Amino acid sequence: QVTLRESGPALVKPTQTLTLTCTFSGFSLSTSGMSVSWIRQPPGKALEWLARIDWDDDRYYSTSLKTRLTIAKDTSRNQVVLIMTNMDPVDTGTYYCARMLRGVIGAFDIWGQGTMVTISS
Amino acid sequence: SSDLTQDPAVSVALGQTVRITCQGDSLRGSYANWYQQKPGQAPLLVIYRRNSRPSGIPDRFSGSSSGNTVSLTITGAQAEDEADYYCNFWDSSGDHLVFGGGTKLTVL
Repeated sequence: QVTLRESGPALVKPTQTLTLTCTFSGFSLSTSGMSVSWIRQPPGKALEWLARIDWDDDRYYSTSLKTRLTIAKDTSRNQVVLIMTNMDPVDTGTYYCARMLRGVIGAFDIWGQGTMVTISS
Repeated sequence: SSDLTQDPAVSVALGQTVRITCQGDSLRGSYANWYQQKPGQAPLLVIYRRNSRPSGIPDRFSGSSSGNTVSLTITGAQAEDEADYYCNFWDSSGDHLVFGGGTKLTVL
């Protein structure tokens, strides 16, 4: 059974750095074709893709947020970490990690439950 | 532009057919994926690679494309299909993923 679970702080102050961890099981990110992405959703708004990391350590970022984002993986611990700097209240929302269907870019077949992050002083 | 445009809201009578569209210049020659999201839940993949369904997704869900528009069709909409629907695609020119703005489907 494939599962993903996001973890991290629920409350972050403006200008601080957010670090989120996606811990997964049921697959290996060292397997050819595997990929994990982070996606967020402000309350009542649309989904927004943030970043992607592939099995071979290729990394891709949202054009509008790339200067603030870093994605990394720890294959031995089955974890993917997202770091977002200079947080702002507009970054408030639910942050999801999701596994990409092998070989089908953008098709996320398994999602974590999401973690709500509020940016406030 | 790699933006994807969806109608904000669509309604359908119970048992009828509804088409939800997603439009974008960069969709020409690309495939899109579709997600269903109910309140308080994570999105659920319902169509991938234009017209493939993950296991467990009812066959009343289908996908198609024409020019710069991709569509999700629900044939015989059920009450449980009431949800937000999002399209997405990978913009290979910019190496990033784009989501549409979402369509709220109401089943009357």
